[in-house]
Amino acid sequence: AQSVTQLDSQVPVFEEAPVELRCNYSSSVSVYLFWYVQYPNQGLQLLLKYLSGSTLVKGINGFEAEFNKSQTSFHLRKPSVHISDTAEYFCAVSVGGSQGNLIFGKGTKLSVKP
Amino acid sequence: GAGVSQSPRYKVTKRGQDVALRCDPISGHVSLYWYRQALGQGPEFLTYFNYEAQQDKSGLPNDRFSAERPEGSISTLTIQRTEQRDSAMYRCASSRVRGRPDTQYFGPGTRLTVL
Repeated sequence: AQSVTQLDSQVPVFEEAPVELRCNYSSSVSVYLFWYVQYPNQGLQLLLKYLSGSTLVKGINGFEAEFNKSQTSFHLRKPSVHISDTAEYFCAVSVGGSQGNLIFGKGTKLSVKP
Repeated sequence: GAGVSQSPRYKVTKRGQDVALRCDPISGHVSLYWYRQALGQGPEFLTYFNYEAQQDKSGLPNDRFSAERPEGSISTLTIQRTEQRDSAMYRCASSRVRGRPDTQYFGPGTRLTVL
């Protein structure tokens, strides 16, 4: 069965520092990868997605992620975070050939401190 | 245009009661998904529709859970004889296309509390 692992449940970081949120998946077939963000009291919003093509994907709000097939990873990065980036981030995978339902990780809470 | 809406936003019910959760997807979106999110966890897939046809209900926990989308637009997730373990955030999402992964647009969710 496919699964998604987000190793860090909480990541505290100071404003303007770089951040990396880690995501690993398990699947022996082709996958499509997504990062969603959830701000307090709001729904999930898509940050970026990898479907095919370039393994470096750029998303909204200055985030980017790199698909690494050999390491089955899709880590999310931002070179300089803002207070407003404080939120919970979810990595998700959709297995190739499926109808598109997403398998989510448990989430990483990013806390940006001044 | 409007995003995905869900109602009610909060629902408190007593154990044994039935509840109906509503999802209104983005207009024209073909696919509609239901997820459940327990505290401290990521969303977990429940069921999925293309138009009015339920394509996959493998994620529904048991036969107390059912869903419908009779006219291919609004969907209702019904939980019969609720139990405390049903307490969670129920999320609905819709996407434009079917048959392949595409961006899913999520609603704000319904927080269900079963006392």
